[in-house]
This record gives sequence, structure tokens and C-alpha cells, in this order.
Amino acid sequence: ILNVEQSPQSLHVQEGDSTNFTCSFPSSNFYALHWYRWETAKSPEALFVMTLNGDEKKKGRISATLNTKEGYSYLYIKGSQPEDSATYLCAFAHRNSGNTPLVFGKGTRLSVIA
Amino acid sequence: EPEVTQTPSHQVTQMGQEVILRCVPISNHLYFYWYRQILGQKVEFLVSFYNNEISEKSEIFDDQFSVERPDGSNFTLKIRSTKLEDSAMYFCASRDSTGAYEQYFGPGTRLTVT
Repeated sequence: ILNVEQSPQSLHVQEGDSTNFTCSFPSSNFYALHWYRWETAKSPEALFVMTLNGDEKKKGRISATLNTKEGYSYLYIKGSQPEDSATYLCAFAHRNSGNTPLVFGKGTRLSVIA
Repeated sequence: EPEVTQTPSHQVTQMGQEVILRCVPISNHLYFYWYRQILGQKVEFLVSFYNNEISEKSEIFDDQFSVERPDGSNFTLKIRSTKLEDSAMYFCASRDSTGAYEQYFGPGTRLTVT
């Protein structure tokens, strides 16, 4: 059974703090790791798709790293803002197939306090 | 920017009734998916659809579920006889045939079975 774990489950930070959270996934049969940002009542928004060991991606104040050999990815937010409050989901694709379903973690719920 | 849309946003139905959840994927996408999230649990894969047929389905997707692409734009999920445990948020996703297999999600339909 493929299992994706995210930690912490929830996080409260002050505006301006930097933060990071973890996604762990099976290291065998890896194809891609996806990060989504999900605000209530909105569509989960794709942040990053990473496929190569050692990948680092950045979008504004948010960045992510990938270690496929040990099966983990970190998401970093620099200088958190109230608008960063959301649930951050990671999802693992385990084979190179056009229809590969994503296997999700439970998410990390981030609350940024002004 | 193109987006995946879903209707209705919230559906309340009685146990045993049939429901149809509707999705309009992004127009040039070829792969379609349904996922669901029971409250407090992980987002789970239900089914993927390509070239007018199911390409993969999970154990959850039993005979009570069916999918259809009745025309060139809609993609529907039907639950024939709903059970209390079908109460969940149902997400539709789509992707094109290029790139890193990024899946684009709709905002979800919250199904409540009473």
C-alpha cells in the first residue's frame, strides 16, 4: 500500500516568520511529487511538480526540495503572510503512466496570524 | 486562465437515491479523474478516464459508481444508490498529454447523504 505522510498536521505562525513542512513518500517506483495549495471552497492550486532527485523549485516566497532516494520533500515559506493560510497537500505519482493516479498525504494546515 | 469547474457545489441527498456530479474539464485536456475526501481523511483516488473509457479505478469505485463523458465538455460521476459513507467532497481533475503530468483540480462538490 502506497502511503504519503505529511507533518506537522497543523501549524500556527506569526506573520513574517519562515516555516517549513515535510512530505514523506515511498522511495521505490518514484515518478513525480506534487505540491498543492488548497484554500477552503476553492480548487487545490498546483504549486510544484518535481521529478528529479535534488530538484529545487521556487515560486515567489515558496520553495520546495526533493530527495527521492530517501523519500522526502520539504516545502518552505519565507516571510509568511496571512494570505498563505491554507492547507498544503503533497501527492505522489508512482509510475510513468499518463493515467497515474495521485496518492495524497493528509495535508498540513497553515494558519498565519497577523 | 482555463479552469476545471464542478456543479453543484453542494448536494444533499437521501440514502438510496442516485446522484450525478458534473465536471467540465479544461478544454484541451485528455485525461480525467475523480477523487474524493471524506472529512478528516486523505484525498483518495476513485477513477481515471482516457479515450472514452476507464483506464484505472480504485477499490472504492465499485458497481455503484460510474463515469461518463456524454459530450465533448462534460465529465460526470454517478452514484446509483448512495450510502451514508459516500458523504465526502468529490474533486474532478484533468490534465493534458504533455509536461510533468500536472493535474488541475476543480473546487469540488460536497455531497451529504442523510
